[in-house]
Order: sequence, then structure tokens, then C-alpha cells
Amino acid sequence: DAKTTQPTSMDCAEGRAANLPCNHSTISGNEYVYWYRQIHSQGPQYIIHGLKNNETNEMASLIITEDRKSSTLILPHATLRDTAVYYCIVRDSDSWGKLQFGAGTQVVVTP
Amino acid sequence: AAGVIQSPRHLIKEKRETATLKCYPIPRHDTVYWYQQGPGQDPQFLISFYEKMQSDKGSIPDRFSAQQFSDYHSELNMSSLELGDSALYFCASSLGGASTDTQYFGPGTRLTVL
Repeated sequence: DAKTTQPTSMDCAEGRAANLPCNHSTISGNEYVYWYRQIHSQGPQYIIHGLKNNETNEMASLIITEDRKSSTLILPHATLRDTAVYYCIVRDSDSWGKLQFGAGTQVVVTP
Repeated sequence: AAGVIQSPRHLIKEKRETATLKCYPIPRHDTVYWYQQGPGQDPQFLISFYEKMQSDKGSIPDRFSAQQFSDYHSELNMSSLELGDSALYFCASSLGGASTDTQYFGPGTRLTVL
């Protein structure tokens, strides 16, 4: 069963912030939220991850709600190279760390 | 920084043939994961190894086998190939096999079965 729910697609204007939502209402207390993206047929690229607190790195920011049932990935200034499928993944803490990819969000950045 | 290396990048085989895909993890990484991505599909976990031992198994066909060697590289062996095996095969590596260890993916091997 899918642990996350994401919009199928979204468009974003170049230079604007892209806010990608993800619902994970059944997340357990020790499960992390990971974000990856895949640019057409390339290997998935790690973006960011978090547990409870908001996180920021050179690529993006991750905002996790206080109840941890949803999160938002923020790309602060989208470029054409950010066009990709974005995957929100809740990692099962009982497993050996495999990633279970669901149906991500196809983000298209337009000029 | 060094990344995950996969070889070959492209492979064309006939039905019922065998194929071997190789994965060289990021230096010092001890865990390797294999994923399969069919046309228009999302990546699906196949199998993983931690410190040369199988750590987890997903929806990997019995015709497939894999192992991790002493230098931590891994090979995915696929026999009796079927048309449906045509896919992208990704390898990822991490330092440690826990759910908190970030996986980094290679560029993939595109397998075409004719």
C-alpha cells in the first residue's frame, strides 16, 4: 500500500518557488520523509530528508507539519533543469532501508 | 565527488539469453540496492546487500540472482531473459543499511530484450 500521496503533476514558472505537497497520514514516529527526483530516465537524485524539524540544504527546503501527516518540498527558484518527477518517500524503519517509490509528481518548469 | 558506477550502460539481449549487470558503489559505501524501472513505471526495489550479505529482498524473479563481492561491488545476474525484463536497472549505494542512511543512485543500465 502506498504510504504517500502526491499530485500527479504541476507546472511552475521559471524563477518562481515551486511548492510540492505530500500527504503521509500513516507515518510512524520514527519514519523519515525523503525526497528524490528523477530527470528523464536518469538515476533518481537525492534532494533532502527530515524527521520532524524543517530542513534546508543547497537544493531545497522541507517543511513537515507538526503532526507529521504531510510535508512540502520547496524549490526556492525553479529553473528549467528542475523539470523532473519528484518522489516523496516514507522510509520504513523496520526494513533495511529500501526505497518504495510511489507515483510522484511530474513538475514542469516553463520559461 | 565519486558517484555510483554501473556497467554496461546499455545492453541488448535476445530472449532466453543471460545478462550480468555490474554496480560499483561510492567508495567506502558498504550497502548496495538494486531497482528495476519498466517503461512508464516507477522504480521498484529488487534486492539489497549489506556487508556482502543479502539484507532485503523485493519483487525479484527467481531467474535473477545477485551478490556483493569483497570489494563491495555487486552484480545482478539475469537468466532466461523475457521481453518483460526490458527496463532500466538502477543500483544505489549507502554507508550503512539503515533506513536513515541516504542512498545515492547510479546512472542505470538500460536492458533491451528482443
